[in-house]
Amino acid sequence: DAGVTQSPTHLIKTRGQQVTLRCSPKSGHDTVSWYQQALGQGPQFIFQYYEEEERQRGNFPDRFSGHQFPNYSSELNVNALLLGDSALYLCASSLAAASSYNSPLHFGNGTRLTVT
Amino acid sequence: AQSVTQPDIHITVSEGASLELRCNYSYGATPYLFWYVQSPGQGLQLLLKYFSGDTLVQGIKGFEAEFKRSQSSFNLRKPSVHWSDAAEYFCAVGAEATSGTYKYIFGTGTRLKVLA
Repeated sequence: DAGVTQSPTHLIKTRGQQVTLRCSPKSGHDTVSWYQQALGQGPQFIFQYYEEEERQRGNFPDRFSGHQFPNYSSELNVNALLLGDSALYLCASSLAAASSYNSPLHFGNGTRLTVT
Repeated sequence: AQSVTQPDIHITVSEGASLELRCNYSYGATPYLFWYVQSPGQGLQLLLKYFSGDTLVQGIKGFEAEFKRSQSSFNLRKPSVHWSDAAEYFCAVGAEATSGTYKYIFGTGTRLKVLA
């Protein structure tokens, strides 16, 4: 049973560039959430996708956008990269029909993004 | 506002000693509470969860946590720490949205060091 997989594992970009991160949810899950974890901090909620639509959004600028595909996989896009976007980006999956207790988030190992 | 506070940034214990990691939350409704562990370079692994019922919950790897509504706390404990427990520990509250989706609000984490 495959867990949450993310690609790539590491990425180095230059300020102003654009980046796309990818996520495949755990088998059986239909909802994907993205979190940003800066060094020494806890994960911060970016947004959540279900049925190919953004359902909730955290306090992140419009430079952060996403997409969910019919197979439930998801992409996170960040435009006009800033140095402050350097972080570990975590994807988590869950089942929409269940509460957060009955379907707690399953996390991938993340993509480490470095912006220079 | 919803928030999670982990007052201890770093904790060092000797192998075999007992452990308690503190977590306080602020949430208007009945909280869904979680503890996750993160090893270096890895994603987050769920240790245990709480919603209702018995206020003492058991998790994986010998961890337990006690929910105290009067203190808005959900402290994590382990009777005897193993060297492999060295990691970062995150407390989270699951904030349910009206659409049936939810997001997690994480604390800033406690880094555990275990002395041999």
